[in-house]
Amino acid sequence: AQSVAQPEDQVNVAEGNPLTVKCTYSVSGNPYLFWYVQYPNRGLQFLLKYITGDNLVKGSYGFEAEFNKSQTSFHLKKPSALVSDSALYFCAVRDMDSNYQLIWGAGTKLIIKP
Amino acid sequence: ETGVTQTPRHLVMGMTNKKSLKCEQHLGHNAMYWYKQSAKKPLELMFVYNFKEQTENNSVPSRFSPECPNSSHLFLHLHTLQPEDSALYLCASSQDFTETQYFGPGTRLLVL
Repeated sequence: AQSVAQPEDQVNVAEGNPLTVKCTYSVSGNPYLFWYVQYPNRGLQFLLKYITGDNLVKGSYGFEAEFNKSQTSFHLKKPSALVSDSALYFCAVRDMDSNYQLIWGAGTKLIIKP
Repeated sequence: ETGVTQTPRHLVMGMTNKKSLKCEQHLGHNAMYWYKQSAKKPLELMFVYNFKEQTENNSVPSRFSPECPNSSHLFLHLHTLQPEDSALYLCASSQDFTETQYFGPGTRLLVL
């Protein structure tokens, strides 16, 4: 069965430190992988996606994510966190070989402390 | 947010009311989606429309009724809802099924 896991409900990082938000997935075919961010009282905003090619994907607001096929992971990273990065982050996967529906993680709340 | 808009942003309704949520996309996309977002749970896909045709209905109760009059507009008609239907309802659109989905700000629904 297809699934996405975001193992941490919440991640706390000090401003200026690097941050990582974890995501692992399970699909039977080749994955499309996505990261979205949700600020309070807002919809989801697209950050980045992996389809094929370079395993390191760069996205909006200085975020990047690394696709690791052997570990079936797609962790979101940023070298230096900002207080304004505090938000809810969602990972999603689509199985390219079976269907088009996105399978979503439950979200990780990122808190950046000054 | 001019890409995908949703109205109203907030809605309080009784269990016997009938109301409708509206979504409009200004991106020229061909696919539109309704999602339900509840706290600390993955997004739940409710309905998918492609070129105005409904292609997915993920076992959604009949008290939710979608309508897609054209590729730019999507409605969700609500009637005799239950308190457990209280949630954030998100609309999204994409160029086609395989492309990135773009979301509206959502309608926060409270059923009393």
